[in-house]
Amino acid sequence: DAGVIQSPRHEVTEMGQEVTLRCKPISGHNSLFWYRQTMMRGLELLIYFNNNVPIDDSGMPEDRFSAKMPNASFSTLKIQPSEPRDSAVYFCASSPPGQLSVKEKLFFGSGTQLSVL
Amino acid sequence: KNQVEQSPQSLIILEGKNCTLQCNYTVSPFSNLRWYKQDTGRGPVSLTIMTFSENTKSNGRYTATLDADTKQSSLHITASQLSDSASYICVVRGGTASKLTFGTGTRLQVTL
Repeated sequence: DAGVIQSPRHEVTEMGQEVTLRCKPISGHNSLFWYRQTMMRGLELLIYFNNNVPIDDSGMPEDRFSAKMPNASFSTLKIQPSEPRDSAVYFCASSPPGQLSVKEKLFFGSGTQLSVL
Repeated sequence: KNQVEQSPQSLIILEGKNCTLQCNYTVSPFSNLRWYKQDTGRGPVSLTIMTFSENTKSNGRYTATLDADTKQSSLHITASQLSDSASYICVVRGGTASKLTFGTGTRLQVTL
């Protein structure tokens, strides 16, 4: 099993540019999560999907952030326009069916290190 | 407000020594608590998941304890190895429909 695959691993961009982060969850997993990690705040949930449907996007900081999951094997997180304060590591995680409610076990990707200059 | 606080923030120990990491939480109602290990440049990997009725759980050299009355958990690492150098993150889930609350982690460095 290849695990959760994220791309790119590193992204450096200038303020105002559009950034698109990509995620391929583990095959068979039906829940997908986007997290942001910073030194000060740790891991924060941005949005999660269940069966490709966004269930909770209350963690999305503002309208500049958007996420899509067009099918069970692909999701994107887009930031437009990007700002320096968006610099962080963005993680995608997935979870198998039936484990979302109590003892769900999240499988994380290796993250995308985003630097906005 | 649901919070998870971890201590110490960072720790340096010699290879072969034991150490204990602490986690205090205010999440209510409580569903479960998990410890994750995060290597540098990687995503977190689950070590243990504990529910209300479990007060000790081991995974190799890692032993987690949970006191749901005092809302405290600890992660004890026995006979540390260089490969234990990582961040250890405590995560608490409240009611079944709520989000996970993450601690900011303890950064452990094991040296020769």
